[in-house]
Amino acid sequence: GQNIDQPTEMTATEGAIVQINCTYQTSGFNGLFWYQQHAGEAPTFLSYNVLDGLEEKGRFSSFLSRSKGYSYLLLKELQMKDSASYLCAVRASGGSYIPTFGRGTSLIVHP
Amino acid sequence: DGGITQSPKYLFRKEGQNVTLSCEQNLNHDAMYWYRQDPGQGLRLIYYSQIVNDFQKGDIAEGYSVSREKKESFPLTVTSAQKNPTAFYLCASSTRQGEETQYFGPGTRLLVL
Repeated sequence: GQNIDQPTEMTATEGAIVQINCTYQTSGFNGLFWYQQHAGEAPTFLSYNVLDGLEEKGRFSSFLSRSKGYSYLLLKELQMKDSASYLCAVRASGGSYIPTFGRGTSLIVHP
Repeated sequence: DGGITQSPKYLFRKEGQNVTLSCEQNLNHDAMYWYRQDPGQGLRLIYYSQIVNDFQKGDIAEGYSVSREKKESFPLTVTSAQKNPTAFYLCASSTRQGEETQYFGPGTRLLVL
């Protein structure tokens, strides 16, 4: 099976930088996804990492270390609208291609 | 515009009643999925379908049923056997190639009367 761990809640200040960590244990690895989900809405895709390193997309970046079973999502220049849950999802290699989701990290951005 | 639609947005179920949640996509995706989300929990997979007329149980399939008669549609029935159906239900779809990013519908919130 898979085990995915994220902090339950984080708070940060508007304009600041925040890093949301995700650690995972899986039998084989075939990609890690980050999704953003505002309350009562659908998750929306943010990033996908399958190789080690940093992927940058505007204010959001995602990092992966396969040897450490570790990823983080970095949000820069935080805005109030970034208050949401951030879901980490890991896909194992072999068999089903469907990712397993962590419990999500609720980020609260305050003025 | 391409996308996934779910209806209704809110659904109320009486004890002992079966209810069906609709999911339609016009993204031409082969694969479709149903997830359940409870407060403080991640998304848990109920059923998925990789192709028309075929579907597989996910992690929490008991008390649910699905059909996949058309590529665009993947309805979920919550049966009376599901004793704790109150949750937020999300439908998703994806291609079967490449990154296979899942695209999610807006969700249906099911409440028991």
